[in-house]
Amino acid sequence: EAQVTQNPRYLITVTGKKLTVTCSQNMNHEYMSWYRQDPGLGLRQIYYSMNVEVTDKGDVPEGYKVSRKEKRNFPLILESPSPNQTSLYFCASSLQGPYNEQFFGPGTRLTVL
Amino acid sequence: SQQGEEDPQALSIQEGENATMNCSYKTSINNLQWYRQNSGRGLVHLILIRSNEREKHSGRLRVTLDTSKKSSSLLITASRAADTASYFCATDARGNTGKLIFGQGTTLQVKP
Repeated sequence: EAQVTQNPRYLITVTGKKLTVTCSQNMNHEYMSWYRQDPGLGLRQIYYSMNVEVTDKGDVPEGYKVSRKEKRNFPLILESPSPNQTSLYFCASSLQGPYNEQFFGPGTRLTVL
Repeated sequence: SQQGEEDPQALSIQEGENATMNCSYKTSINNLQWYRQNSGRGLVHLILIRSNEREKHSGRLRVTLDTSKKSSSLLITASRAADTASYFCATDARGNTGKLIFGQGTTLQVKP
């Protein structure tokens, strides 16, 4: 089944404890991206990757890192999480760039205490 | 920067009525897309309209695009309770950047 998977789905952590949220797609998509969703703010893009080894900042990249070492995986890294990073996170992928239909993962709900 | 702005923020209608949502954006675009999100779940793609298109249909969905006004509308006809969800527009900026900008969304409630 064609899908985007994210792990974990739920995470409660404490300030400063490094964490990684994984994202994987099995559709051979070139483009992958991360978003955070907060009430009243819609989805805001954190980082995107047009292809392997190519990543770039979205609108809210501060406090986040990403890597794209292989086509199927695009992990989101929070080196030192803070409470303002408490949010619902979505990974998405598409065949080529933001110009195509985006396929979204199920979301990761992160709480930073 | 938030490119897509949606209006209204919330909409409540009766089953069978039509629902119209609007999206405005700020810069020239290649495409505009509409997505649907059921409470807390991942977004699902509904329809994509290119900048050289003015109207597009998909089942009960009708999307219009007015590039001179930098706005789009999504019409859902003969709404059903199952259409209850949040709806988002998303735009990619002309110039081949990789950014995709989402609006704040319209929450639609369809009462049975």
